[in-house]
Amino acid sequence: GQQLNQSPQSMFIQEGEDVSMNCTSSSIFNTWLWYKQDPGEGPVLLIALYKAGELTSNGRLTAQFGITRKDSFLNISASIPSDVGIYFCAGHPRLGSNYKLTFGKGTLLTVNP
Amino acid sequence: EPEVTQTPSHQVTQMGQEVILRCVPISNHLYFYWYRQILGQKVEFLVSFYNNEISEKSEIFDDQFSVERPDGSNFTLKIRSTKLEDSAMYFCASTGGAGGDTQYFGPGTRLTVL
Repeated sequence: GQQLNQSPQSMFIQEGEDVSMNCTSSSIFNTWLWYKQDPGEGPVLLIALYKAGELTSNGRLTAQFGITRKDSFLNISASIPSDVGIYFCAGHPRLGSNYKLTFGKGTLLTVNP
Repeated sequence: EPEVTQTPSHQVTQMGQEVILRCVPISNHLYFYWYRQILGQKVEFLVSFYNNEISEKSEIFDDQFSVERPDGSNFTLKIRSTKLEDSAMYFCASTGGAGGDTQYFGPGTRLTVL
């Protein structure tokens, strides 16, 4: 099956620092999504990417859809304590009505005030 | 803002018992999904549902699992005879029609099988 490799597994940073995480895939995805999950909650969508090369921002978050369609990265600038959580990348091939998402294993972000 | 809702938030059951997890997807959405997340692991796809039938299911979704849309608003996941390894967070998600690729997740139901 399709696999997403997400790195790093965890990050410990100081408030105000920038953060970068990425996902790579062995196969092509035509949609990349980045979610954040707080403990005991469901994934909350941060950014959706639909076109190869697309660069999209949402406040302090920026994500890019890789040209090869096999990778994506998420950057968080000027981190704040509420950025703490697990960040997941997810993708699907967007073939017909198949929207099954494959998730990465997540990046646990800890921000020290 | 419309959102996916799930009930109950936490379900505790004995091994071998049947459980039904309930979801109310976003009202104008057409595609519905169940995902599972074992504690500390990634979110895994279980099943997708469209036009009143299963469109895809994973190897996890065996004969013990079933889904149903009993009316115009609810979407349920039934586990007929729960096992210890079914303990996990179960998330419902929904998405719109063509071009509506973004999946919105509910808050989840934590299932604990004793």
